[in-house]
Parts: sequence; C-alpha cells; structure tokens
Amino acid sequence: KQEVTQIPAALSVPEGENLVLNCSFTDSAIYNLQWFRQDPGKGLTSLLLIQSSQREQTSGRLNASLDKSSGRSTLYIAASQPGDSATYLCAVGGGNQGGKLIFGQGTELSVKP
Amino acid sequence: GAGVSQSPSNKVTEKGKDVELRCDPISGHTALYWYRQSLGQGLEFLIYFQGNSAPDKSGLPSDRFSAERTGGSVSTLTIQRTQQEDSAVYLCASSRDRGDEQYFGPGTRLTVT
Repeated sequence: KQEVTQIPAALSVPEGENLVLNCSFTDSAIYNLQWFRQDPGKGLTSLLLIQSSQREQTSGRLNASLDKSSGRSTLYIAASQPGDSATYLCAVGGGNQGGKLIFGQGTELSVKP
Repeated sequence: GAGVSQSPSNKVTEKGKDVELRCDPISGHTALYWYRQSLGQGLEFLIYFQGNSAPDKSGLPSDRFSAERTGGSVSTLTIQRTQQEDSAVYLCASSRDRGDEQYFGPGTRLTVT
C-alpha cells in the first residue's frame, strides 16, 4: 500500500529565504507526482505535475524534482514571500495509468515579513 | 475558462439524513474524482470516473456512500443515513484524462449534528 510522508510538518522562515519541502513515498511504481498548495478554508491549487519519466519541473520561483528510484520528491521555493504562506501537499498517482492520488499530510509553511 | 465548481459550499444536516453533493467539472475533462479531507485522516480518495469506464470505487468507506456521473459531466456524491464521522470537507477534482493534472473545486463542508 502506497504511503506518502512529508517532512517537516511545519516550517517558519523569514521572507527572502530559499527553502525545500520534502516528500517521500514507499512504492516507487508511480505514474506521476503532483504538488499543491492549500490556503486556509480553500480548495487545492495545483502547482506542478511531474510525470514518472521526468526528473524535474519548474514554474516561476518553484522547482520540483523527482527521484523515483529512491521514492523522493522535493519542492524548492526561491526567494520566499509572505504570500507563499500556505499548506503544501504532495500527492502521487499510482499504477500504470494514473488516476487516484494518494496524499501526504502536508507541510504548513509560514513566511514572516 | 471556468474551474471546477461544487455545491453547496456548506451543508449542515442531522444524523440519519441523506445528503447530495454536486460537482461540475471543467468542460471537456473526461476524468472526475471525489476526495474527502478531515482533521484526523487528511486527504483521502473516495471514487473516480473515467469516460464511460466503470468507476473506481475503491476508496468509498461504506455502502452508505455512492456517486454517479451523468452524461460524462456533472457528478453527485450521495451519503445515506449520515453519521457524525462523515463530517468533513468533500473535494471534487477533474482532469483532461486519467493521469493528467488534477484541478480541484473549492469543496463542500459537511457537518453532521
């Protein structure tokens, strides 16, 4: 059974710092991996999708990497801003056809001005 | 274009009553997913529909839960004889095809009293 773990559970940094969020999964047979952010009381906003054949994806100040063989992904946020404060969720799509996502518990990020 | 929409945004019901939650996916998306987010369990998969294929119901927690998708578009999640442990935020997502990036709606917050 696939299990997804995110470390740390919470992180507080001063504005302007670069930071890394970690995600690990127990079954390397994934179809893809998706990073989301969730603001309090809101739904999920998709940040990046990495297919199993890819090593990384970039969008603006965000960079996500995937090492399928070791069961790890990282989300790198450059030059953090207070508006980046949110919960970041990692989710893996399983099997050979994707479909349902298995989520980690999330990392709650606070960026202080 | 328009994103995924869900209704109602909030629903309070008495224990034992039936409830229906609605999801309108992004137009043209063939895959539709239901997830549940609760404090104790995090974000968990419930069911997903892909085109005309039989739905993957593997995440439904009991036979009180059912869902249908009419005409390949709108979906309704029905919970019969609601229990207090059903209280959660129910999230719907859609993707262009199975395995593609999933886009989430704002969710329906269900409270069972």
